[in-house]
Amino acid sequence: AQTVTQSQPEMSVQEAETVTLSCTYDTSESDYYLFWYKQPPSRQMILVIRQEAYKQQNATENRFSVNFQKAAKSFSLKISDSQLGDAAMYFCAYRSGSGSARQLTFGSGTQLTVLP
Amino acid sequence: DVKVTQSSRYLVKRTGEKVFLECVQDMDHENMFWYRQDPGLGLRLIYFSYDVKMKEKGDIPEGYSVSREKKERFSLILESASTNQTSMYLCASSWLPVSTDTQYFGPGTRLTVL
Repeated sequence: AQTVTQSQPEMSVQEAETVTLSCTYDTSESDYYLFWYKQPPSRQMILVIRQEAYKQQNATENRFSVNFQKAAKSFSLKISDSQLGDAAMYFCAYRSGSGSARQLTFGSGTQLTVLP
Repeated sequence: DVKVTQSSRYLVKRTGEKVFLECVQDMDHENMFWYRQDPGLGLRLIYFSYDVKMKEKGDIPEGYSVSREKKERFSLILESASTNQTSMYLCASSWLPVSTDTQYFGPGTRLTVL
């Protein structure tokens, strides 16, 4: 079974600064997908960014980027120019690449505080 | 935009009661999911469904059942609620069984069992 570990329960960052959230995972599969989800205080979870394991290039979405290290099984999220609206719980998630797999395996989450 | 709604934001029930949590999505998604979220544990999958009347157990199905009579609606049932089922329950849906598809989440139901 796959596991996802987020070792930082809480992080804080100054507004306009950069912060990196860590995520490691354990799998024996070679084909899989990784996601970062954001859960703001209103609780509606939304997708931030996704990465396909077969792609060497790190995914980027505006101020959000990932550092995907397949050999190390590491998938960190970097938030640049942090804004107050980035304050949320962030979850890393894994999904198998097998055709019938549908479910996600989530980490325990990192609570990000943005300081003005 | 995809919309996933849940019947209640907050719910308080007593031990032994039968509890229904309802989830509705408006985008004709095949897949629907029920998770529970607990501090320090992240989200854990209870059940999911990939078609009407079809269901599969997730990681923690004990004490729960589900029903999907219509494509847009997925219900989570606690046959006899217990205090250890006090939690946040999140519903999600997705379109196809492809690995990059996005799961869209509802706002959650905070269930307290007294």
